[in-house]
Amino acid sequence: DTGVSQDPRHKITKRGQNVTFRCDPISEHNRLYWYRQTLGQGPEFLTYFQNEAQLEKSRLLSDRFSAERPKGSFSTLEIQRTEQGDSAMYLCASSLGFSGSTDTQYFGPGTRLTVL
Amino acid sequence: DAKTTQPTSMDCAEGRAANLPCNHSTISGNEYVYWYRQIHSQGPQYIIHGLKNNETNEMASLIITEDRKSSTLILPHATLRDTAVYYCIVTGANNLFFGTGTRLTVIP
Repeated sequence: DTGVSQDPRHKITKRGQNVTFRCDPISEHNRLYWYRQTLGQGPEFLTYFQNEAQLEKSRLLSDRFSAERPKGSFSTLEIQRTEQGDSAMYLCASSLGFSGSTDTQYFGPGTRLTVL
Repeated sequence: DAKTTQPTSMDCAEGRAANLPCNHSTISGNEYVYWYRQIHSQGPQYIIHGLKNNETNEMASLIITEDRKSSTLILPHATLRDTAVYYCIVTGANNLFFGTGTRLTVIP
C-alpha cells in the first residue's frame, strides 16, 4: 500500500452515462497525476496538478474528460457521455513536487472502468 | 523524454537473480532512469531510480553503464511474487512514458 487511494475500485456503466472517480494522494504530496491504462498497454499520462493548479494535459484528455483538485488535496476525474473506448484502468499517482526528474511518483490501485 | 527498449518477456528460476536489461541510447544528461513494476490488475509499484551511479535498495539493484546508454535491473533472489511487468522509464519531465515493459515470469 503506497498511501494513494482511489475510489471506486471498479465501475460498470452504460454508454452515455457520466462517471466520476476520486483519488486521495499521500498527505504531504503536492503533485497529483492521472493516467489511463488499456489492456496490454502501459499506463498513459492524462494530466497533472501542482497543488490545485492543473499544469499539463495530454491530448488524450478529450473534451469529455475533466479533472479537478479544488483544495489541493484529493482530485476527481469525470468522464461525461462515456463511450466503450473509455473502458480502461484509471490510475492516480502523487509525488512530493520537487522540480526536476527526481520526483518519484507513487501510484494508487486504480479504478477499472467498464462501459457497456 | 528518451525512449527505452526492453525485451518483451523473460523467464527466471525461483531463487536465482533476475537481470532485466534496458536500452536508452538517446538519454540526455539530466534524465533519470526509473524502474516500476506492475503485478496483474494492480497499480505500478516504484522500484528504484538512478542518474549515473549504481543504486541499491531493499528491492533491487540498478546498474547503469558508464555512457548511460543502457541499464540493468537486478532482483537478487527472484520469488514467485516477483512475476510482473517491469517498466524501464527515462524521464526529465513531469509525466512518465511507460511503454510496454518486460513481462518477467518466475518459474518454480
